[in-house]
Amino acid sequence: QKEVEQDPGPLSVPEGAIVSLNCTYSNSAFQYFMWYRQYSRKGPELLMYTYSSGNKEDGRFTAQVDKSSKYISLFIRDSQPSDSATYLCAMMVEGAQKLVFGQGTRLTINP
Amino acid sequence: DSGVTQTPKHLITATGQRVTLRCSPRSGDLSVYWYQQSLDQGLQFLIQYYNGEERAKGNILERFSAQQFPDLHSELNLSSLELGDSALYFCASSTLPNTGELFFGEGSRLTVL
Repeated sequence: QKEVEQDPGPLSVPEGAIVSLNCTYSNSAFQYFMWYRQYSRKGPELLMYTYSSGNKEDGRFTAQVDKSSKYISLFIRDSQPSDSATYLCAMMVEGAQKLVFGQGTRLTINP
Repeated sequence: DSGVTQTPKHLITATGQRVTLRCSPRSGDLSVYWYQQSLDQGLQFLIQYYNGEERAKGNILERFSAQQFPDLHSELNLSSLELGDSALYFCASSTLPNTGELFFGEGSRLTVL
């Protein structure tokens, strides 16, 4: 079993829809939770960064962490075609050096 | 533009050969990470250096090695290449040694024929 599980999709939604992306994990020691966005032929870029549990909002993006369920989510409101990309969740144990990534979910927003 | 530079962008070589991938981190970043991305495995952590010293090792094969030089650039050496080594190799950098905020380069796409 992988430490971090993420449905690779692909996921295709119409423009303006609310998108929900999710990851589950098995290591209860994870304290840092990130979402990276990767456009085609580019490197991943950090989108959201959360420490421990709770919600974080940044514009149209909301990240949620539920440590009791070992489940994290990324919500995208009013989705735009420019949001079409692969979204990777990533997690890290405090004090560790290694980020553990999910498989990535390929998202397409259709105009 | 993340500020992390990787060369070459594309590389095609044969099985059994050796290649070197190069990474220049963002200005001021002391920590460099190498990741391998393949379709079936996703992003896999290979190795991390901080200010010239190896800090952490992931699933890096013995045929692979890396180093970070005094000017902070890093090189990933892949030898005795196999078909399965074909992948995207990413370098990332960060200011601190143990943060999840990584800045990735655009990757080096290696194809082994």
